Parts: sequence; C-alpha cells; structure tokens
Amino acid sequence: AQTVTQSQPEMSVQEAETVTLSCTYDTSENNYYLFWYKQPPSRQMILVIRQEAYKQQNATENRFSVNFQKAAKSFSLKISDSQLGDTAMYFCAFMTWGAQKLVFGQGTRLTINP
Amino acid sequence: EAGVTQFPSHSVIEKGQTVTLRCDPISGHDNLYWYRRVMGKEIKFLLHFVKESKQDESGMPNNRFLAERTGGTYSTLKVQPAELEDSGVYFCASSQEVAGGRSTDTQYFGPGTRLTVL
Repeated sequence: AQTVTQSQPEMSVQEAETVTLSCTYDTSENNYYLFWYKQPPSRQMILVIRQEAYKQQNATENRFSVNFQKAAKSFSLKISDSQLGDTAMYFCAFMTWGAQKLVFGQGTRLTINP
Repeated sequence: EAGVTQFPSHSVIEKGQTVTLRCDPISGHDNLYWYRRVMGKEIKFLLHFVKESKQDESGMPNNRFLAERTGGTYSTLKVQPAELEDSGVYFCASSQEVAGGRSTDTQYFGPGTRLTVL
C-alpha cells in the first residue's frame, strides 16, 4: 500500500521569505502522480501543483515549485516570496497511474506572518 | 462556473442518529469521490463513482455508510446509525472523464461537511 508522510505538522515564516515543505512517499509503482493541495482557512481545498513521475523536469507554477527526487521518493514544495494569502494547510498527495484515488499525507499547517 | 458544493457545511447529531450528506459536483464531471478526514489524521479515500456506478468503494469503513449517485449527478452519503468515531470532515471531489494514456484529471474539492457525533 502507498503511504505519504509529511514530517512537519506546522511551519511559520515571515512574509516574503522562502519556505520548503517536505513530503516523502512509499510505493512500489513506477508510474504515478504527485500533488500538492492547499486548504486555506475558508476550507476549500485547491490544487497547487502536480507532477507526473515519468517527467524528470520539476513542475513550477509561478511562486510554487517542487523538488522531485524519484529515487529518494521525495516531493518537496518550495514557496518563494511567500505572501499572507499562502497561509493554509498544505497536503501532499499521491495517485497511482490508472487509479483514481488520492492518498494524502497528514498535512502541514503553514502560517505566513506579516 | 460553479465549483463542487456540499451541504450541510456542519452537522451535529447524537450517536445512533442518521445523517445524510450531499455533494453536487461540477457540471459535466463524470467522476465523483468521497474522502474523510478524522481529527488530526490524514484525508482518506472512501469511494469513487463514475456517473452512477460505484467504481471503487474500498475505503468505505463499514456497512453503516451508504453512498448513492442516482442519475449520475449529485451524490449522497448516509451514515446510519452514526457512531462517535464517524466525526470528522467529509470532502467530496469531482473530475472530468479520464482520457486514455498517461493522464489523469485534476480532482476539484468541495468545502467539506464537518460532522460531529455526540
């Protein structure tokens, strides 16, 4: 069975700083997808970024980028120039290619301080 | 375009009572999912509908939980009778039909229903 681990329950940084959230996963599959979801205090969870395992290039979305290390089964999220609106719970998630269910980590509560 | 909506946003019931949660997916999305987050733990998959058919219900905890998606539109998740351990946030998500090949569509989540069983 696949598992996802987020080792940082809470993090706090100052506005404009760069922050990295860690995520590791365990799987015997070779083809899969990885996601970072964000759930702000208003509760709607939204997709931040996704990575296909067969792609070697790390995904980026504006200020958000990932460091995908397939051999190490690591998928960290870097937020550059953090903003107050980045305050949220961040979930790392995994999906086997061909399956449709997401496997989530425990979440990291990120607070951006003014 | 309206997102995934869930009703109610919060429900408080007594142990042994019945509660029905509703999810309206994004219009045109054939795939509908239910997930649950128990306090302080990870979000866990419950089941997956493709249109009105249950594609995968491997995450349903027991037979006190019944999910339906009549007509392939909205879905309901009934808990009967509710137990204390059923408390948590129930999320619904939807996605478009998955194309062939090495692709999967993004799952769009609703705001969740917070269920409290006393």
